[in-house]
Amino acid sequence: GESVGLHLPTLSVQEGDNSIINCAYSNSASDYFIWYKQESGKGPQFIIDIRSNMDKRQGQRVTVLLNKTVKHLSLQIAATQPGDSAVYFCAEKAAGNKLTFGGGTRVLVKP
Amino acid sequence: NAGVTQTPKFQVLKTGQSMTLQCAQDMNHNSMYWYRQDPGMGLRLIYYSASEGTTDKGEVPNGYNVSRLNKREFSLRLESAAPSQTSVYFCASSEFRTVNSPLHFGNGTRLTVT
Repeated sequence: GESVGLHLPTLSVQEGDNSIINCAYSNSASDYFIWYKQESGKGPQFIIDIRSNMDKRQGQRVTVLLNKTVKHLSLQIAATQPGDSAVYFCAEKAAGNKLTFGGGTRVLVKP
Repeated sequence: NAGVTQTPKFQVLKTGQSMTLQCAQDMNHNSMYWYRQDPGMGLRLIYYSASEGTTDKGEVPNGYNVSRLNKREFSLRLESAAPSQTSVYFCASSEFRTVNSPLHFGNGTRLTVT
């Protein structure tokens, strides 16, 4: 889920399919992780969070998976809808309460 | 329930001009933050206020000042705007900075400095 230069990685998904958005985090000491959704012209919107003592957490149509062994976080969106089209990015919280944001992945939902 | 409200939504400044970005939250949150978002750079913390009466520098504080006016309001001031400060500015709040609670963001101020 990291950006490369000015270009965001893009995930194209068919409406109704499931989406999986990945994020590699950098700090093995991070103990809290958050997923945000950002629609064009709007601020980041909180989706779901997970603490490091968990490996899975479910919300409404979303599931976050945490694999601390490989420092990987994923967001699964079930039955993707046109309204899910946005940029999604993860954030990790490490020592000193510093919250570090990833660069984001753009999700395009095809009708 | 408005959440986090930022004004103005858009602003164009000439180099050297000053302005203040306003932010207010109605969630009774203790901590407030100012971020800037630039293409390819993600969100970077400018300043934060862990609680009313305190402010601290973030990752990119140079060229900015802040005021935590009260528990609800946290303003960001550019004393002498530079083109490098062209960005989208987001204010956020959270219940506490030291506890794992998510940040809630406003919809941003899009600033262009010419």
